[in-house]
Amino acid sequence: QLQLQESGPGLVKPSETLSLTCTVSGASISSSTYYWGWIRQPPGKGLEWIGSIYYSGITYYNPSLKSRLTVSVDTSKNQFSLKLSSVTAADTAVYHCARHLRLPDWFDPWGQGTLVTVSS
Amino acid sequence: EIVMTQSPATLSVSPGERATLSCRASQSVSSNLAWYQQKPGQAPRLLIYGASTRATGIPARFSGSGSGTEFTLTISSLQSEDFALYYCQQYYNWITFGGGTKVEIK
Repeated sequence: QLQLQESGPGLVKPSETLSLTCTVSGASISSSTYYWGWIRQPPGKGLEWIGSIYYSGITYYNPSLKSRLTVSVDTSKNQFSLKLSSVTAADTAVYHCARHLRLPDWFDPWGQGTLVTVSS
Repeated sequence: EIVMTQSPATLSVSPGERATLSCRASQSVSSNLAWYQQKPGQAPRLLIYGASTRATGIPARFSGSGSGTEFTLTISSLQSEDFALYYCQQYYNWITFGGGTKVEIK
């Protein structure tokens, strides 16, 4: 059964870089022609797609975040990662990782999510 | 950007009753519409994709309909485990989500 699990610091200072990793278990990132995405959910608000990466390493970013965003994949560790630079309080959110078959597409399954708070 | 608007924000329903949730797109998304269920502290769960196709393992009481700009998720007879947040998502032009509908016990 495919499972995704996010990990990373729960607190980041303003202007610094938010870094998260999603560990995939139950399937190999490199052997499947899937996309792997990041979605976030600010407290009390709706969901926002952040960006996705194809198993080959090709990336697709939300235009509103593109200038600050880097998504990468490490097939040796079966992980993919998110880096968001110059964060502000507006980047405080629960960050989920998820899989999708095409771009754009629906997401299934999702990781449980990890809360990242931006605060000094 | 395609804006997705869900209504109502909160829906109060008694167990066993029918719940009807709406999702409207600011422009046509054809049938490229998914629905998710989210419970507190849990990951969103895919319910419906392609506007009307149930995902694997989703009970038949969940049904989706619509195309273009107007979509509906119907839960035919609410069970206790169905009280949750529901989101719609379009994947016609990039990816955007609705603001959600909370289904609560009446």
